[in-house]
Amino acid sequence: GQQVMQIPQYQHVQEGEDFTTYCNSSTTLSNIQWYKQRPGGHPVFLIQLVKSGEVKKQKRLTFQFGEAKKNSSLHITATQTTDVGTYFCAGPRISTTDSWGKLQFGAGTQVVVTP
Amino acid sequence: EAGVAQSPRYKIIEKRQSVAFWCNPISGHATLYWYQQILGQGPKLLIQFQNNGVVDDSQLPKDRFSAERLKGVDSTLKIQPAKLEDSAVYLCASSLDMEIGLGRGYTFGSGTRLTVV
Repeated sequence: GQQVMQIPQYQHVQEGEDFTTYCNSSTTLSNIQWYKQRPGGHPVFLIQLVKSGEVKKQKRLTFQFGEAKKNSSLHITATQTTDVGTYFCAGPRISTTDSWGKLQFGAGTQVVVTP
Repeated sequence: EAGVAQSPRYKIIEKRQSVAFWCNPISGHATLYWYQQILGQGPKLLIQFQNNGVVDDSQLPKDRFSAERLKGVDSTLKIQPAKLEDSAVYLCASSLDMEIGLGRGYTFGSGTRLTVV
């Protein structure tokens, strides 16, 4: 069945450094969403990518959707302690009637920032 | 705008007991989801409602889990009887499909952390 995989599982970053986390799907996605979950918190929506090759930026975060719409990446520059948390990518499960809902989440990348 | 409300926040029960979780979605959100998040994993979809109808419950363990959304607003998720492997955070999320199309994603509640001992 459809799978969404994320690498790396853990990312230890020195404050001020950059890093990238990757998301790969076994099938083509109509869209991909990214969520952030702080320790002890719940997932919070960050962004949605829809178009092939789309790139979106939110301050120090850059999100990219692959040309084949099967992979995505999140790049964070100048990491801060506020970036601590787990970042999930999610794509809709295959459905003939609903291309937006029923998100399937990856296992997430847990980010730890060292001051 | 009020968020997605869930209760209780925490619950500890013994195996074979029953438990129920409650969710009140954002006003006007027709679509409601229940997710199970086991520690260290991503959320896993259990069931999706559109208004008061079930859209997808293919991943719901129906021998012990049940869910309802009688008036198309609040929802309850029940486990009976609970097993040790049901220990997880149960997240409720809601969305307005049009908002997803406009790139606004799901809104999750704070979740209910269930511990089965």
